[in-house]
Amino acid sequence: QTVVTQEPSFSVSPGGTVTLTCGLSSGSVSSSYYPAWYQQTPGQAPRTLIYNTNTRSSGVPDRFSGSILGNRAALTITGAQADDESDYYCVLYMTSAIWVFGGGTKLTVL
Amino acid sequence: EVQLVESGGGLVQPGGSLRLSCAASGFTFSDHWMNWLRQAPGKGLEWVVNINQDGSETSYVDSVKGRFTVSRDNAKNSVYLQMNSLRAEDTAVYYCAKGGTVPIPADCWGQGTLVTVPS
Repeated sequence: QTVVTQEPSFSVSPGGTVTLTCGLSSGSVSSSYYPAWYQQTPGQAPRTLIYNTNTRSSGVPDRFSGSILGNRAALTITGAQADDESDYYCVLYMTSAIWVFGGGTKLTVL
Repeated sequence: EVQLVESGGGLVQPGGSLRLSCAASGFTFSDHWMNWLRQAPGKGLEWVVNINQDGSETSYVDSVKGRFTVSRDNAKNSVYLQMNSLRAEDTAVYYCAKGGTVPIPADCWGQGTLVTVPS
């Protein structure tokens, strides 16, 4: 069974840039997996950031961007702010019309 | 404004059943795939099931196949999740989510409803 992989944790300094990635245990991520990214703070419902690799959801600031970097999907946050401290989840579209989430990355801003 | 309001969660004994409902508003419900996702306490997100615009196509995560059934009523702008043979590992917050115009499991999310199945 294919596993979607994410860094368990990452830290960034305020104002800095960080790139979180999303890979596959076997194979490469491409745009045909329709990668999407979600942000979640404790006790809240997730917020949609990016879908279809690089399309920002409504209201998401352009500090957040999505791409394919090498064989992984990537979420880049530029000018990190304190309230970017959250859990970030990627999800990929697999065959048979199912979606598989990565385990999430806990981002610390300090 | 898109709104998705889940209901029907609660405490249910192992082997029991529960039916979740999601009332949608603020968009043309019949134009969109709908999804259910869940998050166990302290764990990550998991996609559970989706249903296409007219209910003729559905897909399920392997762990719920044969136990959960998704349906929708476009006249009532609602989507449902019938959960049977519930297990402790089904304990989670269940989110209803709207699909987008391109493949996406969740364009907009509800606030979720908690389902608890004690071990």
